Amino acid sequence: AQSVTQLGSHVSVSEGALVLLRCNYSSSVPPYLFWYVQYPNQGLQLLLKYTSAATLVKGINGFEAEFKKSETSFHLTKPSAHMSDAAEYFCAVSSLAYSGAGSYQLTFGKGTKLSVIP
Amino acid sequence: EAGVTQFPSHSVIEKGQTVTLRCDPISGHDNLYWYRRVMGKEIKFLLHFVKESKQDESGMPNNRFLAERTGGTYSTLKVQPAELEDSGVYFCASSQEMLAGGRIETQYFGPGTRLLVL
Repeated sequence: AQSVTQLGSHVSVSEGALVLLRCNYSSSVPPYLFWYVQYPNQGLQLLLKYTSAATLVKGINGFEAEFKKSETSFHLTKPSAHMSDAAEYFCAVSSLAYSGAGSYQLTFGKGTKLSVIP
Repeated sequence: EAGVTQFPSHSVIEKGQTVTLRCDPISGHDNLYWYRRVMGKEIKFLLHFVKESKQDESGMPNNRFLAERTGGTYSTLKVQPAELEDSGVYFCASSQEMLAGGRIETQYFGPGTRLLVL
């Protein structure tokens, strides 16, 4: 089985401060890992993904995440928060072996709502 | 290029009624996924189509849910009869053909359909 735990359902940071959103995963096989963002009244947008290449993954809007196998973590960071970063962020894991039959279904965490204080 | 579209954006129905949700994937995407987020819970996988065939329907909650993808283009998800616990946001996602070697393609999400069953 595979699962995702996102620590903190709500995170608040000041504008210009470091953003750190935590994600830990559980998977019996090498995982693919994703961060998606949902802005108000919009769909899910891919921020970045890890697919067994470089462990430090850079995404859009200045976000990056580091895959740490020993810690089973894939935390999302951004050096300086902007007001436009206020949204809900989802960490997800997928593996072909888990899903079987060629289905890359995603298993999501519960999401973290990020608030940015001016 | 148009993204994944879903219709309707919102639906309010009474318990026992029928509702049909529609998803139009990105043109040329063979893979189509349905997910659901019940209030306060994580986004959960429902099923996966490859072209017109159901590849994996392990996430469908019960036989009140029927998904189709005629001709391998758009997909519909029918709930009949609807129950209170079916309320939530239904997301559709699509991705390109999976290539040899198991390379995972990004799933692109639609804006979701917000279903409220009263």
